[in-house]
Amino acid sequence: QSVLTQPPSVSGAPGQTVTISCSGSSSNIGAGYDVHWYQQFPGTAPKLLIYVNSNRPSGVPDRFSGSKSGASASLAITGLQAEDQADYFCQSYDHSLSGSYVFGTGTTVTVL
Amino acid sequence: EVQMVESGGGLVQPGGSLRLSCTASGFTFNSNAMTWVRQAPGKGLEWVSSTSASGVSTFHRDSVKGRFTISRDNSRNTLYLQLHSLRAEDTAMYYCARTPSEAGTFPYWYFDLRGRGTLVTVSS
Repeated sequence: QSVLTQPPSVSGAPGQTVTISCSGSSSNIGAGYDVHWYQQFPGTAPKLLIYVNSNRPSGVPDRFSGSKSGASASLAITGLQAEDQADYFCQSYDHSLSGSYVFGTGTTVTVL
Repeated sequence: EVQMVESGGGLVQPGGSLRLSCTASGFTFNSNAMTWVRQAPGKGLEWVSSTSASGVSTFHRDSVKGRFTISRDNSRNTLYLQLHSLRAEDTAMYYCARTPSEAGTFPYWYFDLRGRGTLVTVSS
């Protein structure tokens, strides 16, 4: 099972702000490893949305923002749009045992 | 345009083998670490294996160590994943991903996935 915990779902009306949390521990986010975020639409590959905690790749709208504090991270979507309805995953590295990249449990964003 | 095309998946019996390929274009392949990520049907994402830009360093998740081998041919811009002793729990869509060179060294990598994936189904 994943070591990064996300809420299964969040929802909001168009124009609202939603926040997705990603809770880790002292062997991953809390150890200082960066957090990255991915967006996935049904039937398609995940797309890199945020890298190194708060950076957006070219082409990603600035309504997506990321932050990290302690052993947790967050993804905020401000000015929610219908096209933002998708699954979102956080990712980091965990140095426990033999080490592994780890993904969050995933959050489905529903636009009401 | 960055593109990655995965191939080689299919239906295989438990204990069987497959070789997945990922052909890349639109970027300097030999400057990027590469990774395989998988997703079981209806489930979340799972890191499988990574290799450095040169191919000298490789990393695998514990559950595939000794069964899967990641490799690359920089002259062909192609990434491989050799799968042996397949189990039902290996059933998944397998995606390849690049790590931009600015991401630095392992373990500070993140993944740029662009392909459609290739489906591996392990069943008798």
